[in-house]
Amino acid sequence: GAVVSQHPSRVICKSGTSVKIECRSLDFQATTMFWYRQFPKQSLMLMATSNEGSKATYEQGVEKDKFLINHASLTLSTLTVTSAHPEDSSFYICSALRQGRLFTSPLHFGNGTRLTVT
Amino acid sequence: DAKTTQPNSMESNEEEPVHLPCNHSTISGTDYIHWYRQLPSQGPEYVIHGLTSNVNNRMASLAIAEDRKSSTLILHRATLRDAAVYYCILPLSTGNQFYFGTGTSLTVIP
Repeated sequence: GAVVSQHPSRVICKSGTSVKIECRSLDFQATTMFWYRQFPKQSLMLMATSNEGSKATYEQGVEKDKFLINHASLTLSTLTVTSAHPEDSSFYICSALRQGRLFTSPLHFGNGTRLTVT
Repeated sequence: DAKTTQPNSMESNEEEPVHLPCNHSTISGTDYIHWYRQLPSQGPEYVIHGLTSNVNNRMASLAIAEDRKSSTLILHRATLRDAAVYYCILPLSTGNQFYFGTGTSLTVIP
């Protein structure tokens, strides 16, 4: 089956530093990737949608200058949390949609990145 | 936007069938019904999806009501590994986005 690799799985950083999370589709090309954030005992919250070669579309309330998303190729999207604060500590999850199959096929998810900001 | 309504939690005994309901009364005509599940500390996992007809795969079955306003995910024999939060999602009706609701937390009792 289709595989989405997310790296790192866990990261601890100091307040004020930046952290980059990578999301790769390993065996398919992904035109669209989604980034989610999940706090303990809550559901996934969509942060932004990224389309290869264009600017990401952010959900209301998500700061685009703080959560930088780059989708430079059909197999890689990155999320950079800039100037991280303890309240940014969360579980970040990416997902990828196979090229040309808008929601008629499954969405494939990475295994998430646990970010802890100290 | 088409919203989905699912019970917050359900319990099932191991090796018994489980029927997880989802109401989506405002579904659009071309919207696929997707089901995903999430085990603790993992990303969601695809379970099944369908449009109008009932669907079966190795993990589960999806029964879709004739009017498409509701669907039921069926796990034929629950195992302890099926304990997870199950989400029913209608992406097209929510602006081509995958928004997650609160889902149903399934507990499997040994």
